[in-house]
Parts: sequence; structure tokens; C-alpha cells
Amino acid sequence: EPEVTQTPSHQVTQMGQEVILRCVPISNHLYFYWYRQILGQKVEFLVSFYNNEISEKSEIFDDQFSVERPDGSNFTLKIRSTKLEDSAMYFCASASGTGNQETQYFGPGTRLLVL
Amino acid sequence: RKEVEQDPGPFNVPEGATVAFNCTYSNSASQSFFWYRQDCRKEPKLLMSVYSSGNEDGRFTAQLNRASQYISLLIRDSKLSDSATYLCVVNLPGRRALTFGSGTRLQVQP
Repeated sequence: EPEVTQTPSHQVTQMGQEVILRCVPISNHLYFYWYRQILGQKVEFLVSFYNNEISEKSEIFDDQFSVERPDGSNFTLKIRSTKLEDSAMYFCASASGTGNQETQYFGPGTRLLVL
Repeated sequence: RKEVEQDPGPFNVPEGATVAFNCTYSNSASQSFFWYRQDCRKEPKLLMSVYSSGNEDGRFTAQLNRASQYISLLIRDSKLSDSATYLCVVNLPGRRALTFGSGTRLQVQP
């Protein structure tokens, strides 16, 4: 069964450093998402991406964040200058974009710890 | 008011029990509804979509009440492996982004 993959599984970084989180969505999917989950809190939407551009973003997704699809398979989330409060689990998701109730499939996540 | 509200639990039930979770959503124009399951420190996984007419998948039954703006999940004959956090998830109008509740934790005990 095809699945979303994410690397790295864990990332520890110093405050102020840049991090890039990588995702490989399911191959025939067209919509890509990043969500985050701070420990003990709910899953929160960050950004969605379609047709090589951002289609929707939340208020969390400020100028410190950017997304890119550098080639046909990878989908990346960059945090330019990490803050302590960026520590969270970051989930990538993808969806085919068809049907009335679109199913989003989540990757296993990257646990980011900012020190 | 939170967009999606759930009782955090935990619900502690014996194996074989029937357990029900409810969830309320604030935006009456919400379009799509789901139950996801999340194991500790893992990704959310789709358990089932929730349709207006209600739907069943094995031991799991989901219901949607648009008039009262709530969604329910019923689990029959609970198994130890059902222990997890159950997330109520909604699509707000015109959005593909998923809006998650905080989850209800279920612990099934032997």
C-alpha cells in the first residue's frame, strides 16, 4: 500500500538555525499539506500546496516558514530561524483531490526539538 | 467557542464493552466529517468518514446530526488494540484543510 514518508524522523536544532523537513507524498496525489502537533495539543493545519503554489495557509504559517516542491517527488517545509515554540511533531499529508470526502493520508512525522 | 470540541477522556472500559464518543462542531456549514485514530506519538490515521445517513464499518458506527452539529462514534466489542486517541475532524466550508478536535483518549483494559 502506498504511503507518505518523511525524513528525518527526529531533528534537534539550536534556536535561530534553519531546518528543512522533507516529505515524499503518495505518487499520484495532487494536494499536499503540512500540519504540526505540539506535545499534548491538537493537530494544527499549517499550509496546503497544489499545482506548485500555496493554496491555503494558517496564521501559524508566517514569514519564517516556506514550502517547496523542488522536484517531482519531494515536498519540503523550511523553517528559517527556529524558535523554542517551533518544537513539535510535523506531519506531512497528501490527498488525491478527487471525490466529495477527500481522504488525507499522513506521514509518520518529524519530531523537531529546538533548544 | 472551539471549532471542534471533544471530551478529552480518558474513557477506561473493559474488553468487550461498547463505548461512544461525541464531538460537536461550531460551523453549521461544515462539509466533511471524519474520525481519525492516533496512537501515542504516531500520525493520525483515518478510521472512517462520516456520512449524513450514518455509516458502519465492522465494530465501528459513525453518525452525523447536522441539526445539532454533532458527530458520534460507537465502538462495539472493544479490543485492547482499540486503545488510542480518537480525533474528530471536520472540513470547514470552502477549505481543504482539516480542523482537528483535541481528541478523546480510550483505554481498553483486560
